[in-house]
Amino acid sequence: AIRMTQSPSSFSASTGDRVTITCRASQGISSYLAWYQQKPGKAPKLLIYAASTLQSGVPSRFSGSGSGTDFTLTISCLQSEDFATYYCQQYYSYPLTFGQGTRLEIK
Amino acid sequence: EVQLVESGGGVVQPGGSLRLSCAASGFTFDDYAMHWVRQAPGKGLEWVSLISGDGGSTYYADSVKGRFTISRDNSKNSLYLQMNSLRTEDTALYYCAKDISTISRHFDYWGQGTLVTVSS
Repeated sequence: AIRMTQSPSSFSASTGDRVTITCRASQGISSYLAWYQQKPGKAPKLLIYAASTLQSGVPSRFSGSGSGTDFTLTISCLQSEDFATYYCQQYYSYPLTFGQGTRLEIK
Repeated sequence: EVQLVESGGGVVQPGGSLRLSCAASGFTFDDYAMHWVRQAPGKGLEWVSLISGDGGSTYYADSVKGRFTISRDNSKNSLYLQMNSLRTEDTALYYCAKDISTISRHFDYWGQGTLVTVSS
């Protein structure tokens, strides 16, 4: 199975900050990567797929980049509603696997 | 509006069985692969299983292979997960999730989940 490792596991930031979350795959996955946001008590929400394609309805402050093994999710200007846990997911091969999550907290 | 509503969760003893259901609406159900994804309490997401739109192809995580069976009834717009030989480590919130297209293997809509607790 392809292992997905996110960094950091958690961190604190302030509204208005620019933040970057990293996801690394244990082997090359081309651009078969998605990012999800999950808030407490809620189902995950798709933000980005194909490493950099913004899902319909997702604010443009979210962006994704990368290919192969190294990927990033960037939030250009943090809003209060962005404080959540973020997961990457590879869909290059079965079994589909997620990163362990990055918890973004308010500083 | 796409809606996915899971049901069937509950408390079961180790070694027991449970069948989860997911009622789908708001899209052409048989055009899309469907998935089950679970989340243990306080933990991350784990993909469990996938079934193609016509039900002809299925895939499983190694942790559930041979114990869980995914199925669908397109005439009822419903997805199922038959879970046998349950273990304590199967305790989780089980989400039904819609594939973003025919079988792209990522998920654009999720239900709210149904909780399965395996405990003696």
